[in-house]
Amino acid sequence: KNQVEQSPQSLIILEGKNCTLQCNYTVSPFSNLRWYKQDTGRGPVSLTIMTFSENTKSNGRYTATLDADTKQSSLHITASQLSDSASYICVVSAAPSGTYKYIFGTGTRLKVLA
Amino acid sequence: ETGVTQTPRHLVMGMTNKKSLKCEQHLGHNAMYWYKQSAKKPLELMFVYSLEERVENNSVPSRFSPECPNSSHLFLHLHTLQPEDSALYLCASSQGSGSSYNEQFFGPGTRLTVL
Repeated sequence: KNQVEQSPQSLIILEGKNCTLQCNYTVSPFSNLRWYKQDTGRGPVSLTIMTFSENTKSNGRYTATLDADTKQSSLHITASQLSDSASYICVVSAAPSGTYKYIFGTGTRLKVLA
Repeated sequence: ETGVTQTPRHLVMGMTNKKSLKCEQHLGHNAMYWYKQSAKKPLELMFVYSLEERVENNSVPSRFSPECPNSSHLFLHLHTLQPEDSALYLCASSQGSGSSYNEQFFGPGTRLTVL
């Protein structure tokens, strides 16, 4: 069964600290993995996307890694800011493209405190 | 803003009411989606409209009825809903649905409460 699991469910850190969010998947065959940020009261916004051949992708203070062998991904946030408080959702796409190609995780809720 | 708008942003309705959710995209995309987001659950794809496909998730109850009059507008008609239908309903669009590499742009969602 295609599944995406994220950990931790929630996380609280102090402003300026780094943190790492985890995503494990069992989707097969794999096409790509995307991380989204969802602010409260808003829809998800894409941060990064990685295909099978990519093992790291950065977007400012956000760095995503992918280990296709162990089927794990992480999102590292450097020097956190109050505006990083949000839910972070890992989405894995199956190949070939099909009806239910997007498999969503339940997200990690991050709270950054001053 | 992502270029995808949704109205209303909040909706409270009784189980016997009929209402509609509206979504409009200003990105020139040709695929649109409805998702349901419930607390502590993954996003659930409800419907897809695109040139390549029209998909209905067979697990979505018939009390949800989509309408896509053109590539820029998408509606979700609601009737005789149940309290468990209370959730955030997200609309998204993308340039085609044939490739999962195409980024989906999400609207802000409609927070629906069924009493």
